[in-house]
Amino acid sequence: SSELTQDPTVSVALGQTVRITCQGDSLRSYYASWYQQKPGQAPTLVIYYKDNRPSGIPDRFSGSSSGNTASLTITGAQAEDEAAYYCNSRDSSGNHEVFGGGTKLTVL
Amino acid sequence: QVQLQESGPGLVKPSETLSLTCTVSGGSISNYFWSWIRQPPGKGLEWIGYIHYSGRTNYNPSLNSRVTISVDMSESQFSLKLSSVTAADTAVYYCARLCKESYYVGGFYYYYHYMDVWGKGTTVTVSS
Repeated sequence: SSELTQDPTVSVALGQTVRITCQGDSLRSYYASWYQQKPGQAPTLVIYYKDNRPSGIPDRFSGSSSGNTASLTITGAQAEDEAAYYCNSRDSSGNHEVFGGGTKLTVL
Repeated sequence: QVQLQESGPGLVKPSETLSLTCTVSGGSISNYFWSWIRQPPGKGLEWIGYIHYSGRTNYNPSLNSRVTISVDMSESQFSLKLSSVTAADTAVYYCARLCKESYYVGGFYYYYHYMDVWGKGTTVTVSS
């Protein structure tokens, strides 16, 4: 099992807001980054360092962190946001990278 | 912009060594870290390790005894070798650029990481 824990599945109605969470002790010390992966495609970075979005990522994607939990929020979810989302940070030693188990987002 | 392309055999026999190469184009291999990540069929992402252009490496402890990552600056490539493979090593293998940046708080520097450029991935099947 991963040192970063994510809910396996989350659903959201079209146009509504959804929060995807990532829990782990290392998140008290290190920021998480978030990746979107659509079927058959490579992951794409959507959020890094607090609440930064790479060029081309819509501003409906935002990030936050509190205690041992990092969150990815999609405000006004669109059909094209249906995908798996993975968080990434350090492990408990702080020396190695680790991914969360992933959250499959369904847009209803 | 920077693009990454994985290459290597799609089929490897059990107990043999898996070898993959990632070619970096459209940018320099210098001043960055370069990572390998894999994804078994129907499962999540697993970080394998990374290498700095200087040659410094860092591996997933669960794979450490079997993994070697190297860099060839002259060819703008970095490579993965995974020895003694089994069916459990069957996966899509991705290479990615790992950015390490810092911020300064209270007299100390802290670092954050993210992987901003990914290759399309290559499927490796371990089977006799």
